[in-house]
Amino acid sequence: GDSVTQMEGPVTLSEEAFLTINCTYTATGYPSLFWYVQYPGEGLQLLLKATKADDKGSNKGFEATYRKETTSFHLEKGSVQVSDSAVYFCALSENYGQNFVFGPGTRLSVLP
Amino acid sequence: EAGVTQFPSHSVIEKGQTVTLRCDPISGHDNLYWYRRVMGKEIKFLLHFVKESKQDESGMPNNRFLAERTGGTYSTLKVQPAELEDSGVYFCASSLRDPTYNEQFFGPGTRLTVL
Repeated sequence: GDSVTQMEGPVTLSEEAFLTINCTYTATGYPSLFWYVQYPGEGLQLLLKATKADDKGSNKGFEATYRKETTSFHLEKGSVQVSDSAVYFCALSENYGQNFVFGPGTRLSVLP
Repeated sequence: EAGVTQFPSHSVIEKGQTVTLRCDPISGHDNLYWYRRVMGKEIKFLLHFVKESKQDESGMPNNRFLAERTGGTYSTLKVQPAELEDSGVYFCASSLRDPTYNEQFFGPGTRLTVL
């Protein structure tokens, strides 16, 4: 079945550092890929998504590119802020309406 | 517009007791999903409603779990009797029926602790 693997962390960075959270997937078809973020005390929020190969999703300074050849969707940000401290989940969905398959989540802590 | 809401936010019960979780999706969202995250592991799918019908319940762990969505609005997830391994965070999500929008909107989750 489908699966998502991501670095589990925790990841601790200083403010303004560069962030990479690796995500790779296994799927039978051509899924859409997502990054969700959960801030402390809140629900999951969609951060960005990409629906086909070579698409780049971006939001709030975060970027991820759908790489079909390496089955990856790594999350990057050039300069993290304390407010980026959260748990980040990589996820895929094979088709509209079907359930999402999530990775285990990566906890990011950004220190001032 | 209100987002997905879940009640309660936390529940602590003893093994063998019953607990009912509630999810109110975004108004107009026909699709409703339940997921759970156990022991900090990955978030796993439980089931999917389209309006009041169960579209996919392949993720339900066993018959101690019962989900309903009467009238196609809010949904409840009952665990009876609860076991220790049921502890975790239960998330609800909803989405539009329009396939253009393949995005699920998640609630804040209910943290269930079974002692």
